[in-house]
Amino acid sequence: KQEVTQIPAALSVPEGENLVLNCSFTDSAIYNLQWFRQDPGKGLTSLLLIQSSQREQTSGRLNASLDKSSGRSTLYIAASQPGDSATYLCAMRDANAGKSTFGDGTTLTVKP
Amino acid sequence: GAVVSQHPSRVICKSGTSVKIECRSLDFQATTMFWYRQFPKKSLMLMATSNEGSKATYEQGVEKDKFLINHASLTLSTLTVTSAHPEDSSFYICSADLAGVGNEQFFGPGTRLTVL
Repeated sequence: KQEVTQIPAALSVPEGENLVLNCSFTDSAIYNLQWFRQDPGKGLTSLLLIQSSQREQTSGRLNASLDKSSGRSTLYIAASQPGDSATYLCAMRDANAGKSTFGDGTTLTVKP
Repeated sequence: GAVVSQHPSRVICKSGTSVKIECRSLDFQATTMFWYRQFPKKSLMLMATSNEGSKATYEQGVEKDKFLINHASLTLSTLTVTSAHPEDSSFYICSADLAGVGNEQFFGPGTRLTVL
């Protein structure tokens, strides 16, 4: 059974800092990995999708990496802004492109 | 990106009533949709996989008769919480697969259910 862990659970940084969010998983037989953002009381917004065969994806100030051998993924946010404040979730899709397993998320606060 | 809508966004009902939540893929067809439940300050828990034209596949511990799922068309799946009770109060989110490269999941905005 896949288990997904996100560390830290919460993170507070001053505006402008670069930061890394971590996601670890126990089963490397994944189909893809997705990073999401969730604002309070809202649904999920997909940020980046990494296929099992890929190592990283970039979108603007965001860069996500995938290392299946170590069971880790990171989400790098450059030059953080107060608008980046949200909860960030990673999700592993199983190898049969079936269900996804989510981590508990990292709640990020970027202070002006 | 692909858009998934949910209706209603918020519902308050009395204990014992049934509530239907709709999930629609607006600009693409989705043969598979997923229903998740999210508890406060917790992550998403998969409830069931909804397949167009066939019965839903429920996760262990999810009551099929309690949470009825119907996927009648390629753009619509519904979740009905039958005889709702306060412990069913939660945030319900659906997602739909965008078929093709990567099978990226797109999520709806969620439905906040409060059972009094």
